[in-house]
Amino acid sequence: EVQLVESGGGLVQPGGSLRLSCAASGFTFSTYSMNWVRQAPGKGLEWVSYISSSSSSIYYADSVKGRFTISRDNAKNALFLQMNSLRAEDTAVYFCAGGRALYWGQGTLVTVSS
Amino acid sequence: DIVMTQTPLSLSVTPGQPASISCKSSQSLLHSDGKTYLYWYLQKPGQSPQLLIYEVSSRFSGVPDRFSGSGSGTDFTLKISRVEAEDVGVYYCMQGIHLLTFGGGTKVEIK
Repeated sequence: EVQLVESGGGLVQPGGSLRLSCAASGFTFSTYSMNWVRQAPGKGLEWVSYISSSSSSIYYADSVKGRFTISRDNAKNALFLQMNSLRAEDTAVYFCAGGRALYWGQGTLVTVSS
Repeated sequence: DIVMTQTPLSLSVTPGQPASISCKSSQSLLHSDGKTYLYWYLQKPGQSPQLLIYEVSSRFSGVPDRFSGSGSGTDFTLKISRVEAEDVGVYYCMQGIHLLTFGGGTKVEIK
């Protein structure tokens, strides 16, 4: 069974940092590209970042470019999102999604507030 | 950037009746590999999105056959042949030809 389990969310002050993790199992993680997608409270889905299977290609949405860093560890079947200089508008549930969003985790809530 | 436009914003459907959702992309989603990277998802209340349809018309594993997808190029449609109570939620289309972009969502409720 495919599983993606996010962790690392929480309450952080504006300007602060968080590191999200996504643990993958049930599929050959090292052969899949991965994405982070977020959903602000009561809003739709917004793509955040992409990383290819070998980490050779990485992309970011304009809204997070220069502040967020995506990475992965294929040996540990893990995906990461380092989030710095957080803003109130980054408040959302963050999902990791495998491949072209075939598989989704349950999400982890990030709240940026003073 | 590719823009995905969904209509309608919401639907109220009597159980057993059909429903249809439209999705239009600002650019063709037909890739040079011959595949069209258009996907449909359902997000039930309090849950993460679940894949229903991939590459326009292929149902994902376990998806009931009352769900069907059609279209080509820039115009796509999701149809539910007979809506059931468990189909309530927000439906999203998504393009996957260049990174990911989602439509704004269509909320489906039962009358």
